[in-house]
Amino acid sequence: DQQVKQNSPSLSVQEGRISILNCDYTNSMFDYFLWYKKYPAEGPTFLISISSIKDKNEDGRFTVFLNKSAKHLSLHIVPSQPGDSAVYFCAAGYGNKLVFGAGTILRVKS
Amino acid sequence: DTGVSQDPRHKITKRGQNVTFRCDPISEHNRLYWYRQTLGQGPEFLTYFQNEAQLEKSRLLSDRFSAERPKGSFSTLEIQRTEQGDSAMYLCASSLGTRSGANVLTFGAGSRLTVL
Repeated sequence: DQQVKQNSPSLSVQEGRISILNCDYTNSMFDYFLWYKKYPAEGPTFLISISSIKDKNEDGRFTVFLNKSAKHLSLHIVPSQPGDSAVYFCAAGYGNKLVFGAGTILRVKS
Repeated sequence: DTGVSQDPRHKITKRGQNVTFRCDPISEHNRLYWYRQTLGQGPEFLTYFQNEAQLEKSRLLSDRFSAERPKGSFSTLEIQRTEQGDSAMYLCASSLGTRSGANVLTFGAGSRLTVL
């Protein structure tokens, strides 16, 4: 059962514009959410997180929005840079475990 | 401490052989996780340890798979009688394990297994 879904396999954005990556989840037990970024031949690296009691968290160019009623979260990257090109994974957590989505490949064109 | 280290980075083996992967977590982290990632998918949870105790195992972890963390530091993941379906990236991660807030995992670069 796919508890965390990233329905867009890929996204292409022009440098300087906004990138919006989306994620949906089904399990109401999740109490925190994270985004990871992965470059080829490297492990996923943590980007930003949000607690289920908040609806927004911001860190520099990265902002995560959470809509609990819709069981939806999104990651906004503004402005997008070529170095942001990577695979982005949404992850949802409860207790000690993280459940990951399948990832979205982001390509930022210069 | 340079992060989570995994060895080997790439292993090619013939079907039926046994393989073992090693993970050295961040030294202050008491939790250690193994995940598996196949092409086009996100990491899938296999098992996790708190110190030396293996607290949870996924149903993905068949009886051919065994993981240990003997002294609460490094961990090994062994796959016996490998099958072609075992071909994947095996990711190790560690965390401090907080009582509240996000349990942020720090991942290693992974060990890629190819079973011929």
